[in-house]
Amino acid sequence: QSVLTQPPSVSGAPGQRVTISCTGSSSNIGADFDVHWYQQLPGTAPKLLIYGNINRPSGVPDRFSGSKSGSSASLAITGLQAEDEADYYCQSYDSSLSGYVFGTGTKVTVL
Amino acid sequence: QVQLVQSGAEVKKPGASVKVSCEASGYTFTDYYMHWVRQAPGQGLEWMGWISPNTGGTNYAQKFQGRVTMTRNTSISTAYMELSRLTSDDTAVYYCARGDGSGSYFNYWGQGTLVTVSS
Repeated sequence: QSVLTQPPSVSGAPGQRVTISCTGSSSNIGADFDVHWYQQLPGTAPKLLIYGNINRPSGVPDRFSGSKSGSSASLAITGLQAEDEADYYCQSYDSSLSGYVFGTGTKVTVL
Repeated sequence: QVQLVQSGAEVKKPGASVKVSCEASGYTFTDYYMHWVRQAPGQGLEWMGWISPNTGGTNYAQKFQGRVTMTRNTSISTAYMELSRLTSDDTAVYYCARGDGSGSYFNYWGQGTLVTVSS
């Protein structure tokens, strides 16, 4: 049972903008711990998409952006492309659990 | 380039133990924590713990304490994760992942090792 809650699914047409929320609490995101985002294509290992709330690793398109406010964070994908169809997970640290936590995961479907 | 190469798939009976290896290359093994994350079929990601390859120190998720042991062999740049008293709920793909940014996020992942627990 994850402590970070994401919507199970979001969808959009090619070229549209979609956002994925990640809701935490005062022991994780609300405690000012960083939020990171991963993309997981079917049958593959997760890939780091956003680190430190807003930063993109080298090679990640600028169509992906992250934000954080209070006890929540969001991942936005603009100019949605067919190749963006995947599962997306947020991740942070939880002081109550003294460990790292992942979100429940969101499946993005390109219509 | 950084690579994490894991051992192959395993099939175990309930009550048994499994040990998964993760060989690192392309960087100084002792400079970064190694984390273990698992994913049950059709489910999300679950963090299991980390090991400091430098000191051997570990930190396990509460859920796995008493059942998981993480070790390393610095001479061959390899980390290990052993999980005991397996049940069918432990059927999952197990990943090693290097901890970056003061260990807080995972920029490099192994390819995953499928562990199937079945009688």
